[in-house]
Amino acid sequence: KAGVTQTPRYLIKTRGQQVTLSCSPISGHRSVSWYQQTPGQGLQFLFEYFSETQRNKGNFPGRFSGRQFSNSRSEMNVSTLELGDSALYLCASSLSARDRVSNEQFFGPGTRLTVL
Amino acid sequence: AQSVTQLGSHVSVSEGALVLLRCNYSSSVPPYLFWYVQYPNQGLQLLLKYTSAATLVKGINGFEAEFKKSETSFHLTKPSAHMSDAAEYFCAVSVRPGSASKIIFGSGTRLSIRP
Repeated sequence: KAGVTQTPRYLIKTRGQQVTLSCSPISGHRSVSWYQQTPGQGLQFLFEYFSETQRNKGNFPGRFSGRQFSNSRSEMNVSTLELGDSALYLCASSLSARDRVSNEQFFGPGTRLTVL
Repeated sequence: AQSVTQLGSHVSVSEGALVLLRCNYSSSVPPYLFWYVQYPNQGLQLLLKYTSAATLVKGINGFEAEFKKSETSFHLTKPSAHMSDAAEYFCAVSVRPGSASKIIFGSGTRLSIRP
């Protein structure tokens, strides 16, 4: 079974631009979560989607948004990029929202975003 | 609200030596606890998890962790370190399923192995 895939793996943008990152969960997984990882802040939860609905949202500004499609694939968008948005963005999938808490999440390799 | 603290941002051990990575948690309800490993330029991989069954949990790659409620700890150990264990390790805590709470990750411990 293929793992979680994220595209692109690397991205360089300039301040003020917007970016869209994509995540394809493991086949059959319906829950997708996004995290931002930086050296200073560690792993921070962005949001979670289940059956095309946002179930939880972390403490990030409205510039960060996401969505999930009927095939469970998910995208996250960051508008008006700032230097501080430079980070590794990780996507994780699990069978259901319930399993995300009690069971385990399967992480993709991440998209490394650099904002210049 | 739950939280997790990893003691030591960097741990260095010799090859063949005991690995001990410390994790303490705080939770108002019985927690679920996880250890994840992250190799360079990769995502996180689950090493092991505690979900209120056995307090001593065995994971992949020879790692194990013991849930100690009285100490609110979930330390990760491996009897003999291998060069391939060099990576960053994250402890995480969550609450029972059905809660809207999110999984909280520790700040991570970078493990280095000396030859």
